[in-house]
Amino acid sequence: EVQLVESGAGLVQPGGSLRLSCAASGFTFSSYAMSWVRQAPGKGLDWVSSISASGANTYYADSAKGRFTISRDNSKNTLFLQMNSLRAEDTAVYYCAKYMDAYNPVPHNWGQGTLVTVSS
Amino acid sequence: EIVLTQSPGTLSLSPGERTTLSCRASQSVSRNQLAWYQQKPGQVPRLLIYGASSRATGIPDRFSGSGSGTDFTLTISRLEPEDFAVYYCHQYGSSPGTFGQGTKVEIK
Repeated sequence: EVQLVESGAGLVQPGGSLRLSCAASGFTFSSYAMSWVRQAPGKGLDWVSSISASGANTYYADSAKGRFTISRDNSKNTLFLQMNSLRAEDTAVYYCAKYMDAYNPVPHNWGQGTLVTVSS
Repeated sequence: EIVLTQSPGTLSLSPGERTTLSCRASQSVSRNQLAWYQQKPGQVPRLLIYGASSRATGIPDRFSGSGSGTDFTLTISRLEPEDFAVYYCHQYGSSPGTFGQGTKVEIK
């Protein structure tokens, strides 16, 4: 069974940094691209970033470019999101998601999410 | 980036009814890489449809997707009580991936 467990969230001041982690199990982590999707309280889904299976290719939403860095450690089955220069509008539940497969790069399995709150 | 516009914003329907949700893209979605998700309050999104018309594993056949290019639809042939939720479309054919703003299907 695919399991994705996010951690690292919490309350941070504007301009601060936070590193999210997503521990994966139940599948061959190194074979799948992964992504981060967020959802502000009471709002819709917002794609943030994705990374290829090997980690060689990364992609970002305009809102994340230059501030967020996605990475992965395939030896530890873990996905990361380093978030710098955080803003109030980054407040959201952050989900990590596993893509379906190489032919269908669509988020299929989702973690339960972790809440990031940016406030002074 | 591709902007996805979903309509209507809210649908008030009764169990047993048929409904169609719309998702319109600001430009053509590459290889029709368009997905639909269902999200209930307090739950994570659930993938229903990918590739515009392929049902994900375990999704009942009352859910169907169609469309191509810039216009896509999700049809629920007969609403069950558990289908009342928010539905999002998502294009993953171009980076950055984008989501529509959602359509809420509520009980009338």
